[in-house]
Amino acid sequence: KQEVTQIPAALSVPEGENLVLNCSFTDSAIYNLQWFRQDPGKGLTSLLLIQSSQREQTSGRLNASLDKSSGRSTLYIAASQPGDSATYLCAVVADKLIFGTGTRLQVFP
Amino acid sequence: DVKVTQSSRYLVKRTGEKVFLECVQDMDHENMFWYRQDPGLGLRLIYFSYDVKMKEKGDIPEGYSVSREKKERFSLILESASTNQTSMYLCASSLIRDSRATDTQYFGPGTRLTVL
Repeated sequence: KQEVTQIPAALSVPEGENLVLNCSFTDSAIYNLQWFRQDPGKGLTSLLLIQSSQREQTSGRLNASLDKSSGRSTLYIAASQPGDSATYLCAVVADKLIFGTGTRLQVFP
Repeated sequence: DVKVTQSSRYLVKRTGEKVFLECVQDMDHENMFWYRQDPGLGLRLIYFSYDVKMKEKGDIPEGYSVSREKKERFSLILESASTNQTSMYLCASSLIRDSRATDTQYFGPGTRLTVL
């Protein structure tokens, strides 16, 4: 059974830092991996989708990498800002979308 | 922009009531999904639909049913609400008709349901 783990569960950093969020999954037979952002009390916003044949995707200050063989993905956020404060979720697609429990990020001024 | 709307942001119901949660998407997406989100458990798939009148069970379908009579609307029904169904319910849609749900999903704002 596919399990998705995100470490750390919470992270607090000063503004301007570059940071890395980690996601690991137990079964490498995936179609793609997606990163989402969730603001408190709200729905999810899709950030990046990496196909299983790809190694990384970039959008603005965000860069996501995928290493299927080791069952890992990282989300790199450059020059973090207070507006980046949110919970970040990764999810893998095998026969359906399976979510991790998220990393709650706080960026303070 | 894709817009997924949910009928209520907050809902309070009593044990045993029949509850309807409505979700509408305006981008002609084929797939629609219902999830619930609980602290420490993350998002779990309840049901999804990849075509009108089609439905597939997710991980936790017990106590729920769904209806998709029109492409843009996907309803989640709690036949007899119980306190353990208190949760945040999230609806999502994706473009491609795909039973594996490989396409990017777009989420609604969520409905926080409390069952007393």
